[in-house]
Amino acid sequence: ILNVEQSPQSLHVQEGDSTNFTCSFPSSNFYALHWYRWETAKSPEALFVMTLNGDEKKKGRISATLNTKEGYSYLYIKGSQPEDSATYLCARLMYSGGGADGLTFGKGTHLIIQP
Amino acid sequence: ETGVTQTPRHLVMGMTNKKSLKCEQHLGHNAMYWYKQSAKKPLELMFVYNFKEQTENNSVPSRFSPECPNSSHLFLHLHTLQPEDSALYLCASSPIPGDSNYGYTFGSGTRLTVV
Repeated sequence: ILNVEQSPQSLHVQEGDSTNFTCSFPSSNFYALHWYRWETAKSPEALFVMTLNGDEKKKGRISATLNTKEGYSYLYIKGSQPEDSATYLCARLMYSGGGADGLTFGKGTHLIIQP
Repeated sequence: ETGVTQTPRHLVMGMTNKKSLKCEQHLGHNAMYWYKQSAKKPLELMFVYNFKEQTENNSVPSRFSPECPNSSHLFLHLHTLQPEDSALYLCASSPIPGDSNYGYTFGSGTRLTVV
């Protein structure tokens, strides 16, 4: 994998259902993996910053896991609510000789929660 | 408001014009970034500034010229742009480029249209 890839591109989920989506990234020179939520007409908002292989983080009904060796992260939403509708972005921070570079983003998963 | 303020929110400019985008944060962050989002593409990193010094230029054409006079302000000077430069330009900040505890704080963006 050369870039950060997210799947699926879009997802329709019934209110109350749980869902998850994937972020794949190059595992070489890994430094950190970020997840953001981006609602329409708003700014991207940081959800998680993950650095360690096997890391799991949770914020309310949303959680994320990280596998740095194989280069993937999962985001889980339990009991989806209409306010969860947004585009979810993941981004990789790579470490180079001069220090950490800027984040490289995937295209995002556009999540729509249907009442 | 997220703590990162971008002005203007919308900008329409001709190909021969010169304009500037402004970004301001008073979060005490030392790293600032410019990102570009074009339709159906992921957020693309343009420039990274760390303690007012440019640490990354992601092969951006010279018609985009960044300026960081202090850690709180970041500008993107635009001149002789092309219609394909029409996009959403996002500014972000973080405590330091490789901070593993905090995500980036994004502004609301400037929607640029080049005619």
